[in-house]
Amino acid sequence: DGGITQSPKYLFRKEGQNVTLSCEQNLNHDAMYWYRQDPGQGLRLIYYSQIVNDFQKGDIAEGYSVSREKKESFPLSVTSAQKNPTAFYLCASSVPGRGDYEQYFGPGTRLTVT
Amino acid sequence: GESVGLHLPTLSVQEGDNSIINCAYSNSASDYFIWYKQESGKGPQFIIDIRSNMDKRQGQRVTVLLNKTVKHLSLQIAATQPGDSAVYFCAENHGGAQKLVFGQGTRLTINP
Repeated sequence: DGGITQSPKYLFRKEGQNVTLSCEQNLNHDAMYWYRQDPGQGLRLIYYSQIVNDFQKGDIAEGYSVSREKKESFPLSVTSAQKNPTAFYLCASSVPGRGDYEQYFGPGTRLTVT
Repeated sequence: GESVGLHLPTLSVQEGDNSIINCAYSNSASDYFIWYKQESGKGPQFIIDIRSNMDKRQGQRVTVLLNKTVKHLSLQIAATQPGDSAVYFCAENHGGAQKLVFGQGTRLTINP
């Protein structure tokens, strides 16, 4: 089955620790995205990548970093510079240039930092 | 920056009734709109999309209406079922960039 996987589903860290969230897709999509969702809120774009070895900041990139070394993978690192990292993180992918902008989402990772 | 907003954060309907979820957008350059359904603790799922050169599009039990004059988007769900309970997000794309701007969401609750 094709799709997007995120692991782990739940992640707990102590304040000051860096953490990396995994996102893998086997849809052969060129573009990948990371969003943050807070309770009762919509999705806010952290970073996106339209092609391997290239990525752009979204609306709330501070305190986060990404890499895109492979088409299938787009890991997100949450650094200690992110002041309020507890949130639900969603990864998505799409096929740019196809004429529509539908994004396919993974199941999400809930990060709790205490 | 521009954002997509929703008129109502919560909506309760009786099972079997039709549901209408509304969305206002502010960017007149937006050329693509999409509705997602998100169940608790899960990632959003695609429902239906519409381009700016259309004013209506129908799917299975769902219809999206686009009124560009007043920058308004709506999602109609026919014969609402318990499985329709979720948060519904609209999102827009503008400027040609491969990005979506999401609204806050509307929580739809189905009463038996």
